[in-house]
Amino acid sequence: GENVEQHPSTLSVQEGDSAVIKCTYSDSASNYFPWYKQELGKRPQLIIDIRSNVGEKKDQRIAVTLNKTAKHFSLHITETQPEDSAVYFCAASMGGYQKVTFGTGTKLQVIP
Amino acid sequence: DAGVIQSPRHEVTEMGQEVTLRCKPISGHNSLFWYRQTMMRGLELLIYFNNNVPIDDSGMPEDRFSAKMPNASFSTLKIQPSEPRDSAVYFCASSPSPGGEQFFGPGTRLTVL
Repeated sequence: GENVEQHPSTLSVQEGDSAVIKCTYSDSASNYFPWYKQELGKRPQLIIDIRSNVGEKKDQRIAVTLNKTAKHFSLHITETQPEDSAVYFCAASMGGYQKVTFGTGTKLQVIP
Repeated sequence: DAGVIQSPRHEVTEMGQEVTLRCKPISGHNSLFWYRQTMMRGLELLIYFNNNVPIDDSGMPEDRFSAKMPNASFSTLKIQPSEPRDSAVYFCASSPSPGGEQFFGPGTRLTVL
C-alpha cells in the first residue's frame, strides 16, 4: 500500500518568515495530495490540495508544489503568523475507492 | 449540514468496561473512517467503510476493537474490554468517496483509568 513520509516532525519559525514542510510518497499511481491543519484541541481540516495534473497551487499565503517524477510534494507558508501554529498533515491517495494515507504530521510553531 | 457528529465528546471509564463511540456522517457521504490520535502514535486509521461495508480494518489494534455501520447515517466503534492504553482521541471522518476530501468530527476524548 501507499506509504507517506513527512519531514520535519517539528518546525519553529519567526513570525513573518516562511515555513516549508516536505512529504514523499511511494505509489506512483497516487494522484491526489491534500494537506490538513489541526489546531490544538481541534479536528484536522483541509487547507489545500493538489492533483497530479498540476505542479503548483496557491491560496493566499499557502502554496503546494508537486514533483511526480521524484514522488514528493511540499507545503509552503509565507509571511507566517502566530495563528499558523498547528500540526500539519500531508496525505496521498489514488483517488476513487482508494483510501487517503496520512503522513505523521509536522508541528509548526510560529514565534511572535 | 451540521457536519460529522460524534458522541460522547468525552468519556472517562475504568479498565475492563465496555466503551461505545458513536458517529453520524455527513448526509450523502459514502465513506466513513475511524481514526485514533495519540501523542506517541500520531493519527492512525483504524477502519473505514464504503457504502456501509467495511473495506479495510487492518488498523484495528486487536480483537477488543470492533466497528459497525448498520446504515448510511450511523456508525459505532466499540472497545471491550477497555484498557488504559486505549486512552486517546478518536475521530470519525466522512467523505464522498474513500479517496476524497475527508471531513472530521470533533472527536471523542477517551480516558481509561
